[in-house]
Amino acid sequence: KAGVTQTPRYLIKTRGQQVTLSCSPISGHRSVSWYQQTPGQGLQFLFEYFSETQRNKGNFPGRFSGRQFSNSRSEMNVSTLELGDSALYLCASSEGAFAGELFFGEGSRLTVL
Amino acid sequence: GESVGLHLPTLSVQEGDNSIINCAYSNSASDYFIWYKQESGKGPQFIIDIRSNMDKRQGQRVTVLLNKTVKHLSLQIAATQPGDSAVYFCAELSDSWGKLQFGAGTQVVVTP
Repeated sequence: KAGVTQTPRYLIKTRGQQVTLSCSPISGHRSVSWYQQTPGQGLQFLFEYFSETQRNKGNFPGRFSGRQFSNSRSEMNVSTLELGDSALYLCASSEGAFAGELFFGEGSRLTVL
Repeated sequence: GESVGLHLPTLSVQEGDNSIINCAYSNSASDYFIWYKQESGKGPQFIIDIRSNMDKRQGQRVTVLLNKTVKHLSLQIAATQPGDSAVYFCAELSDSWGKLQFGAGTQVVVTP
């Protein structure tokens, strides 16, 4: 089985721009979660989707949004980028019945200049 | 607010020795805990989990201990190998839907 796939792996943006990151979960997994990882804040939960519905959201501003498609693939979007948004964005999938064991992708490394 | 934290930011271990990584949690209502390993340039990888109705759980070369009285979690790695060098995170499930609360992480460095 293929693992969680995230694209792009690396990207550079400038302040004020927006970015869209994509995540393809493990086949059969219906839950997708997103996390932001920075050296200062560690791993922080962004949101979780199951069957195209957002079930949970972390404490991030409204500039951070996401969605999930009918094939369980997910995207997250960050608008009006700030320098502090530079981070590794990790996507994780699980079967969905119980969200404990998450399988993470390699992440998308975003640099905001 | 509630948080999960690690006691030691860096742990140096000699190859072949046992490693112990500690984690304190503050949410007494948490009932599920997980340890993840993250190697450089990779996403976190599930190691082992434990529910609050257990005190100990063993996997291959790893053991997780849970002390609910003092809200403490530990990961023991037996016969540490160079491939064990990574950052280790403990995490607790604060609610049911994918929201893991991660600790700060401990860097484990295995020396020959």
